[in-house]
Amino acid sequence: SQTIHQWPATLVQPVGSPLSLECTVEGTSNPNLYWYRQAAGRGLQLLFYSVGIGQISSEVPQNLSASRPQDRQFILSSKKLLLSDSGFYLCAWSGYPTGGYTFGSGTRLTVV
Amino acid sequence: QKEVEQNSGPLSVPEGAIASLNCTYSDRGSQSFFWYRQYSGKSPELIMSIYSNGDKEDGRFTAQLNKASQYVSLLIRDSQPSDSATYLCAAQNTGTASKLTFGTGTRLQVTL
Repeated sequence: SQTIHQWPATLVQPVGSPLSLECTVEGTSNPNLYWYRQAAGRGLQLLFYSVGIGQISSEVPQNLSASRPQDRQFILSSKKLLLSDSGFYLCAWSGYPTGGYTFGSGTRLTVV
Repeated sequence: QKEVEQNSGPLSVPEGAIASLNCTYSDRGSQSFFWYRQYSGKSPELIMSIYSNGDKEDGRFTAQLNKASQYVSLLIRDSQPSDSATYLCAAQNTGTASKLTFGTGTRLQVTL
């Protein structure tokens, strides 16, 4: 069966520090991968998606970047965090047969 | 811009009653529709998917789709306190990367 791992679960970082969040998927190959952010009390905002290794599409201009160095690995990064980067970051994958997304457990990032 | 609209709630129903959650979408190219349940502080969990007009039942949950009216609903029968959560509606166009567009969610409260 397919599983998705996301870490860390919580993170408190100072403004201006770098960020690296990692997501890996097991039990499937060539999944579509997504990074979402959910601000407190808000909806899900798609940040990046990837349909293959090295293929990254950005949905909104921002302080973040994403990379997909391996088929089942998706990384979200920032060189210098802003206060506005705080939120709940979710990685998700999609592929046959569900058609929908399966989300990781999320990372709650607080920038102080 | 493709949008999915939901009433933010909270929708309050007594235990044992039927909860009715509604969603409209703007993209007529949307082919697949999903309902996610999100408990506070947790990641969204897929509970229902529907692809064709009509009803789809799974246990206490029934999803309804009307593509002509661009309307999706979720009925929860015999509501339980454990159903208290935010319910996210999502629409998927089978275009680039099969991206989902999410609504902002309806908060459901099941009261004793």
